[in-house]
Amino acid sequence: EPEVTQTPSHQVTQMGQEVILRCVPISNHLYFYWYRQILGQKVEFLVSFYNNEISEKSEIFDDQFSVERPDGSNFTLKIRSTKLEDSAMYFCASSGDSDTQYFGPGTRLTVL
Amino acid sequence: AQSVTQPDIHITVSEGASLELRCNYSYGATPYLFWYVQSPGQGLQLLLKYFSGDTLVQGIKGFEAEFKRSQSSFNLRKPSVHWSDAAEYFCAVGGKEYGNKLVFGAGTILRVKS
Repeated sequence: EPEVTQTPSHQVTQMGQEVILRCVPISNHLYFYWYRQILGQKVEFLVSFYNNEISEKSEIFDDQFSVERPDGSNFTLKIRSTKLEDSAMYFCASSGDSDTQYFGPGTRLTVL
Repeated sequence: AQSVTQPDIHITVSEGASLELRCNYSYGATPYLFWYVQSPGQGLQLLLKYFSGDTLVQGIKGFEAEFKRSQSSFNLRKPSVHWSDAAEYFCAVGGKEYGNKLVFGAGTILRVKS
């Protein structure tokens, strides 16, 4: 069964450093998403991406964040200058029809 | 704005007992409703979804959920719980009117006693 994959599973970084979180969506899907879950809090939407551009973004998704689909298979989330409060589990999701989203296993980001 | 409430943070049931996890939503249009499950160290796995039609939907692993518009609820049920069902369960709402982004509840942690 096709699935969304994410790398790395755990990323530790120093405050102020740039990180790139990688996702490989399900191969024939066209809609891509990033969500995050801060420890003890709800899963919250960050951004959606379709046809090589951002469809929607939340208030959290400020200028420090960017997304890219650099090739036909990867979907990345970049945080330009990490802050302590960026520590969270980041989930990538993809959808073939925009109605049902399938999630990856997540990347745990720890900012020291 | 959309919101989802899962009133139970933790639930403990005995193996073989029935289960109901509650979910209430607030949504300004026709909701798409979902239940996801997260086992430790795993991602969010889709259990079932409701878009329209029959208000009782069947999912994987023997789960079902019933949409009740009058109560703004989408409760998840299972007639007989197995120890492997121990996990965290998330209810989510989405829909085309809001760009299909999902809004999640806080989750319910299910513990299964043997």
